[in-house]
Amino acid sequence: DTGVSQDPRHKITKRGQNVTFRCDPISEHNRLYWYRQTLGQGPEFLTYFQNEAQLEKSRLLSDRFSAERPKGSFSTLEIQRTEQGDSAMYLCASSPIRGQGDLKSTDTQYFGPGTRLTVL
Amino acid sequence: AQKVTQAQTEISVVEKEDVTLDCVYETRDTTYYLFWYKQPPSGELVFLIRRNSFDEQNEISGRYSWNFQKSTSSFNFTITASQVVDSAVYFCALSSTGFQKLVFGTGTRLLVSP
Repeated sequence: DTGVSQDPRHKITKRGQNVTFRCDPISEHNRLYWYRQTLGQGPEFLTYFQNEAQLEKSRLLSDRFSAERPKGSFSTLEIQRTEQGDSAMYLCASSPIRGQGDLKSTDTQYFGPGTRLTVL
Repeated sequence: AQKVTQAQTEISVVEKEDVTLDCVYETRDTTYYLFWYKQPPSGELVFLIRRNSFDEQNEISGRYSWNFQKSTSSFNFTITASQVVDSAVYFCALSSTGFQKLVFGTGTRLLVSP
């Protein structure tokens, strides 16, 4: 079973540009999460999906941020008009829900390698 | 509100030493889950363990062991006979039932030198 994958791994952009990241969760995981991690800090929750429905959004997710999971499989996170403060590692995680997989893995979030964004 | 505190910012040990990473949490939920993740220099968060709030049994997995104490709201992680490959940032995290999000601590950087 392949893990969570994210693309690109690194992105350098100029302030004001739009960027889009992609996350492919573990196959058949219903839940998909986005987190942001800045240097020296733990990951902070941004949003999560159950299948294609976006069920919760953090207040960290400003109007410039939008996430989608159109077919309940992969997800995209777009940042419009990037600012230097958006520079961070963007992490994606997925999890099975109760009734899927073995008990030990149920509801546990498995993370991808992250996309490191640098805004110049 | 939920909160996780990892007071140790960085710990340095010499190989084969035992080391304990502290985690203190706050939550008003009666049912919750606690996690430890490892983040090596490559950056990917690696899941280590999940513990339910109603299960206070300590767990051992090879050189790793976890001590969960509800009375002190702590979930500490001990590495026995540390190795250089254990060098990483370790995060403690908390989630309430429903698993809508993980709340992470600020992490403890462990440096194991030969």
